[in-house]
Amino acid sequence: EDQVTQSPEALRLQEGESSSLNCSYTVSGLRGLFWYRQDPGKGPEFLFTLYSAGEEKEKERLKATLTKKESFLHITAPKPEDSATYLCAVRTSNTGKLIFGQGTTLQVKP
Amino acid sequence: NAGVTQTPKFRVLKTGQSMTLLCAQDMNHEYMYWYRQDPGMGLRLIHYSVGEGTTAKGEVPDGYNVSRLKKQNFLLGLESAAPSQTSVYFCASSSGTGGPDTQYFGPGTRLTVL
Repeated sequence: EDQVTQSPEALRLQEGESSSLNCSYTVSGLRGLFWYRQDPGKGPEFLFTLYSAGEEKEKERLKATLTKKESFLHITAPKPEDSATYLCAVRTSNTGKLIFGQGTTLQVKP
Repeated sequence: NAGVTQTPKFRVLKTGQSMTLLCAQDMNHEYMYWYRQDPGMGLRLIHYSVGEGTTAKGEVPDGYNVSRLKKQNFLLGLESAAPSQTSVYFCASSSGTGGPDTQYFGPGTRLTVL
């Protein structure tokens, strides 16, 4: 069964304290791994798509990486405005539909 | 360019009542999706459509119906609402042109069934 697991469930950081969020997946065939950001009361906002192992993408303080079994979202020197829930999802070759993890809620304190 | 919009933003229903949620997209996307989001459960796919006039079941389709009469609109219906359908509903769309095909989400509808 295809599965996506994110860890930790919640993460508290001080402003400037770098860290990483993990997304591990077990799927029959990967056609893309997606990272989204979701603010309270809003819809998920697209951040990155990763296609294959070894790929990396960056946007401001965020960097996403992909291996054959997991993806990491690295946050460098976070600011309070980075506080949000970060969602990971995979698109599999069987169905083409997205399977989401449960998310990591990040709180960055000034 | 509004992207994906959803109507209404909030709704309270009594058990047994019916309602329709409207999703509209202005990106000329072929594929559209309806998800529900519940605490601790993540986003789960209810129904989806790969083009005008087509619909298909997702992971949790029971109690819901959908229609895609126009390419830009995707309607989600609840015929007889139940408290278990209290949730936040998100619509998404994607181009459907192949590859990873990024989905773009609307702002959500918060539904409470009493």
